[in-house]
This record gives sequence, structure tokens and C-alpha cells, in this order.
Amino acid sequence: AQTVTQSQPEMSVQEAETVTLSCTYDTSENNYYLFWYKQPPSRQMILVIRQEAYKQQNATENRFSVNFQKAAKSFSLKISDSQLGDTAMYFCAFMEYGNKLVFGAGTILRVKS
Amino acid sequence: GAGVSQSPRYKVAKRGQDVALRCDPISGHVSLFWYQQALGQGPEFLTYFQNEAQLDKSGLPSDRFFAERPEGSVSTLKIQRTQQEDSAVYLCASSFIGEGFGGEQYFGPGTRLTVT
Repeated sequence: AQTVTQSQPEMSVQEAETVTLSCTYDTSENNYYLFWYKQPPSRQMILVIRQEAYKQQNATENRFSVNFQKAAKSFSLKISDSQLGDTAMYFCAFMEYGNKLVFGAGTILRVKS
Repeated sequence: GAGVSQSPRYKVAKRGQDVALRCDPISGHVSLFWYQQALGQGPEFLTYFQNEAQLDKSGLPSDRFFAERPEGSVSTLKIQRTQQEDSAVYLCASSFIGEGFGGEQYFGPGTRLTVT
């Protein structure tokens, strides 16, 4: 079975600084997708960024970028110029054919002013 | 357009009661998913519909859980004879993609179920 591991239960970062959230996963598949979702307090989950496994280029969305290491099965999220609105729970998730998402346990990120 | 909506937002049930949770996906979205999120945990997959067909129900924890999407739009997750371990937030998500995979899933706000 596929598993997703987020080893950092909580992280803190000062406003305007950079933070990296870690994620590793386990699969025997060669074709799959990886996602980072953000869940703000008492608000619904929204997609931050998506990576297709067959693409070597790391995905980037404005201040958010990933470091995808397929051989190491690692998929970290870097947030640059952190803002107070980035405070949330961040989930790493894996999808193979069949479309269901397998989530990690999450990392609480607190951005401090 | 409107996002995914879920009702009720909060539900308190006494142990042994039956509950029904509703999900209205984004119009035109082919795929619909239900996830269960325990407090402080990541969501866990329950079941998946493509239009009205339930293609995967491998995550339903027991035969007390039942989901349907009879007309390929609105979906209902029903839990019979609720138990305390059923207390969780139930998330619904929809996706435009039917065949193939990798599409973004859009999540609703969830229904927080508390079984007393």
C-alpha cells in the first residue's frame, strides 16, 4: 500500500523568511502525481501545488516550489517570503491511477510576525 | 461559480442513531470523493464515484457506511448505528476528470460529526 510520511508535526517561520516542509512517500508505481494541500484553521482544503512524476522539472507556483527527488521518493515544499496568511496545516498527498488521494499526517506551519 | 458544498456543517448524533451527510459537487464535475478526517490527522479515503457509478469503496470502514450518487450529481454518505469512533470531519471533494487521473480535487468545508 502507498504511504506518505511527513516527519515534521509543527514548523515555525518568521514573516518574509523561507521554510521547507518535508514529505516522503512509498510506491512501486512509476506513474503518479504528488500534491501539497493547505488547510487553514476552520477553512477548507485548497491545492497549493501539483507535480507529475514523469516530469523532471520541479513545479513552481509563485512563492511555492517543490523539490521532487523521484529516486529518493521525496517531495518537499518550499515557501518563500512567508506571509501570515500561510499559517495553516499542510498536507502532502499521493495519487496513482484510480484517483484517490493518500495523505500524510500533516505539518502545522505557523508564520510569526 | 460555486464550490463544493456540504450539509450539515455540524452534526451531533447519539450513539446508535443513523446520520446522512450531503455533498453538492461543482457543477459538471464527473468524479466525487468522500474522505474521513480524524482530529489532527490527514484525510483518509472512503469512496469514489465517477458519475453515478461507485468505482471504489475500499475505504469504507464497515458495512454501516453507505454512499450513493444516484443521478451523478449530489451524493449522500449514510452512517447507520453510529459509534463514537465515527466522530470525525467528513470531507467531500469533486474533480472534473473522469477517465485518466491526476486532476485537482476541490474540497468542500466538511461535516463535523460528533457521536455522543
